[in-house]
Amino acid sequence: AQSVTQPDIHITVSEGASLELRCNYSYGATPYLFWYVQSPGQGLQLLLKYFSGDTLVQGIKGFEAEFKRSQSSFNLRKPSVHWSDAAEYFCAVAPGDTGTASKLTFGTGTRLQVTL
Amino acid sequence: ETGVTQSPTHLIKTRGQQVTLRCSSQSGHNTVSWYQQALGQGPQFIFQYYREEENGRGNFPPRFSGLQFPNYSSELNVNALELDDSALYLCASSSRDRTTEQYFGPGTRLTVT
Repeated sequence: AQSVTQPDIHITVSEGASLELRCNYSYGATPYLFWYVQSPGQGLQLLLKYFSGDTLVQGIKGFEAEFKRSQSSFNLRKPSVHWSDAAEYFCAVAPGDTGTASKLTFGTGTRLQVTL
Repeated sequence: ETGVTQSPTHLIKTRGQQVTLRCSSQSGHNTVSWYQQALGQGPQFIFQYYREEENGRGNFPPRFSGLQFPNYSSELNVNALELDDSALYLCASSSRDRTTEQYFGPGTRLTVT
């Protein structure tokens, strides 16, 4: 069974600073990988996803993520954080076939705090 | 195009009772998935419905059951509520040909006392 580890429970960065949120996954083959963001009282919003091809994927709100097969990682990055980026971020994995791509396994999340 | 909606927003039940949560999928989406998100945790996959049939289930007991209707809306039913069932329940919809494009509703916060 697949699993996802987000080693950082809570991260604080200053507005304008760069950000990297870590995600490691466990799965026998190449899975589908996702990053979601959840603001208080909101549902989950998809930031970006990876299936295959270019290992650097661009998402919404200026986020990007890099898939590294050798490290089983899919870290999320943003060059300059805005105060509105404060939220909970979840990495998720799904089996790498279209029939099961919507059955997600999530990590426990990283709470991002942005200081002004 | 309307998004995924869920009702009610909040709900308080007593241990042993039964609860029904509702979800309206996004227009054009025929697949609905349900997730349970306990406080401080990531969402956990409960089950998925496609064309009114269960299409995969996570590690949840049979007292968690669901329905999907011809208009693709869905219900999650939980019998014999336990304190640990207190959580945010999220519904997500997608189309069968674009299963990776999954849209989540705002969730229903269930508190069991």
